[in-house]
Amino acid sequence: GDSVTQMEGPVTLSEEAFLTINCTYTATGYPSLFWYVQYPGEGLQLLLKATKADDKGSNKGFEATYRKETTSFHLEKGSVQVSDSAVYFCALSDRPGNTPLVFGKGTRLSVIA
Amino acid sequence: NAGVTQTPKFRVLKTGQSMTLLCAQDMNHEYMYWYRQDPGMGLRLIHYSVGEGTTAKGEVPDGYNVSRLKKQNFLLGLESAAPSQTSVYFCASSYERDRAFFGQGTRLTVV
Repeated sequence: GDSVTQMEGPVTLSEEAFLTINCTYTATGYPSLFWYVQYPGEGLQLLLKATKADDKGSNKGFEATYRKETTSFHLEKGSVQVSDSAVYFCALSDRPGNTPLVFGKGTRLSVIA
Repeated sequence: NAGVTQTPKFRVLKTGQSMTLLCAQDMNHEYMYWYRQDPGMGLRLIHYSVGEGTTAKGEVPDGYNVSRLKKQNFLLGLESAAPSQTSVYFCASSYERDRAFFGQGTRLTVV
């Protein structure tokens, strides 16, 4: 079945450091890929998405590129802020229809000033 | 502009008690999901629905039942609560293969 594997956390960075959170996937079809973010005490919210190979999703300085050849969707940000401290989830939604969203286990990011 | 609304937000149950969690969405989404989130486990799918009147099992369905009698509502039931069901429960909805919208979560403690 479909699955998502993302790097184990927690990740602790200093403010303005470069962030990479690795995500790889296996899917039977041609999935859409997502990054969700969860701030403390809140539900998940969409950070960015990509629906086909070589698409780049971006939002709030975060980017991720859909790499079909390496089945990856790594999250990057050039300069993190304390306000980026959260848990980040990689997810996929596969073809055909009727398949639920599949999430990775999440990576906790802490950014210190 | 409600999105996905979960009720209740907090609940404490005694072992063996039953309860129903309600999820309501106002976006006319076909797909609805129930997940549980435990520390270090990420999100695990309990049950989901691809349309009114349909339900399907997810990764961890045991001890839970669901119903989708109306398109906008997805109910999660615990018939006989156990301490292992202490968790944070999230409901979500989406169009097929599109982004999901999440509720704020229900924190359930079973003592």
